[in-house]
Amino acid sequence: GAVVSQHPSRVICKSGTSVKIECRSLDFQATTMFWYRQFPKQSLMLMATSNEGSKATYEQGVEKDKFLINHASLTLSTLTVTSAHPEDSSFYICSAPSRDRAGEAFFGQGTRLTVV
Amino acid sequence: AQKITQTQPGMFVQEKEAVTLDCTYDTSDPSYGLFWYKQPSSGEMIFLIYQGSYDQQNATEGRYSLNFQKARKSANLVISASQLGDSAMYFCAMREGLTGNQFYFGTGTSLTVIP
Repeated sequence: GAVVSQHPSRVICKSGTSVKIECRSLDFQATTMFWYRQFPKQSLMLMATSNEGSKATYEQGVEKDKFLINHASLTLSTLTVTSAHPEDSSFYICSAPSRDRAGEAFFGQGTRLTVV
Repeated sequence: AQKITQTQPGMFVQEKEAVTLDCTYDTSDPSYGLFWYKQPSSGEMIFLIYQGSYDQQNATEGRYSLNFQKARKSANLVISASQLGDSAMYFCAMREGLTGNQFYFGTGTSLTVIP
């Protein structure tokens, strides 16, 4: 079964609105959560790293005011796409490092965002 | 420089045959981990296999094996007895260091299994 639950799996929103994506770690505490963005037929690009109780670390070129990340608890991290535009349409996926298996990361199911 | 390089954008394999997906990596850290993930059209990332930089033997997980050539910095995935359900995108990834959590992904290989 999934150890990282991501919701929603698909969302369509109007341009200018905000969308929140949630990632929950099931049966374990995730002090760190990675957020990736994936364009069609391309690789996963790390957007930011969220750490429970502290500010997220954003990769170069990622607007922190546009992609708000909150990691308020050890089991929940959220990514909010603010004032979404069509160019924000993409596949967003979160992952949490595994404690048990050396270095493995557990991925959420992903969220396909379409901004119209 | 790219941390992970996958040079095969697309591959085809006949059902029940074996296929090798190439991956080379670049790191100066002596400690690292190499991973392969499968991503079907649904989008989820499915862990397949892991190889640690200090592992002496090649990793195997069922029909998956990792051909680890440390001197050549390659970590090719071998899928034996291909099945139609193996059709998907395959990503090679690397994690550097003992405590580093960030994964570097390759550009992926799209595998199509032909009946």
